[in-house]
Amino acid sequence: QVQLVESGGGVVQPGRSLRLSCLVSGFTFSHYGMHWVRQAPGRGLEWVAVIWYDGSNKYYGDSVKGRFTISRDDSKNTLYLQMNSLRVEDTAVYYCARDTWSLDYWGQGTLVTVSS
Amino acid sequence: QSVLTQPPSASGTPGQRVTISCSGSSSNIGSNTVSWYQQLPGTAPKLLIHSNNQRPSGVPDRFSGSKSGTSASLAISGLQSEDEADYYCAAWDDSLGLWAFGGGTKLTVL
Repeated sequence: QVQLVESGGGVVQPGRSLRLSCLVSGFTFSHYGMHWVRQAPGRGLEWVAVIWYDGSNKYYGDSVKGRFTISRDDSKNTLYLQMNSLRVEDTAVYYCARDTWSLDYWGQGTLVTVSS
Repeated sequence: QSVLTQPPSASGTPGQRVTISCSGSSSNIGSNTVSWYQQLPGTAPKLLIHSNNQRPSGVPDRFSGSKSGTSASLAISGLQSEDEADYYCAAWDDSLGLWAFGGGTKLTVL
């Protein structure tokens, strides 16, 4: 069955960096685009980034552009989100999701807390 | 504010039919398909409707989606207590080059 498992969240100080991972199984990872979506406490869903199935295109939400980088390693069935220059407002649960012109499978999320 | 506009709340009694609207523009809903997501309290979002009106396997046929022009709607018939959740619409925006979510609608079953 399709599974997406995020990891790498934690508490980090403002201005520092963190890398999230999303390990997938149950499907051919290299055939699918992948997204990161986040949800701040008590708030709605905010799209963060997408990477094409072949890594040829990457798009970012305005609030993370220039600070976050999405990448993938098909040999490891893993999606990444490198987060630099973190801000307090980046505090959220971060989800990875598979793209099929909709987000059809989601992970359980990993919590990132940015606090001094 | 969100690119896609949803009402912040909706409510209904068991057995009723409720609809949730999602308003966008020509660059998102007007030119791309809409999907809907259900988020039960404390859980990850789940795909409810894709391609405007298609239900993934396992989603009850009480849930239906529609799209007209730059707006879309999610309808839930035969409302049940377990339908109490947050609902989000989404679509790709060609002009902004991003995936747009609506602000979410909190559905309360009275």
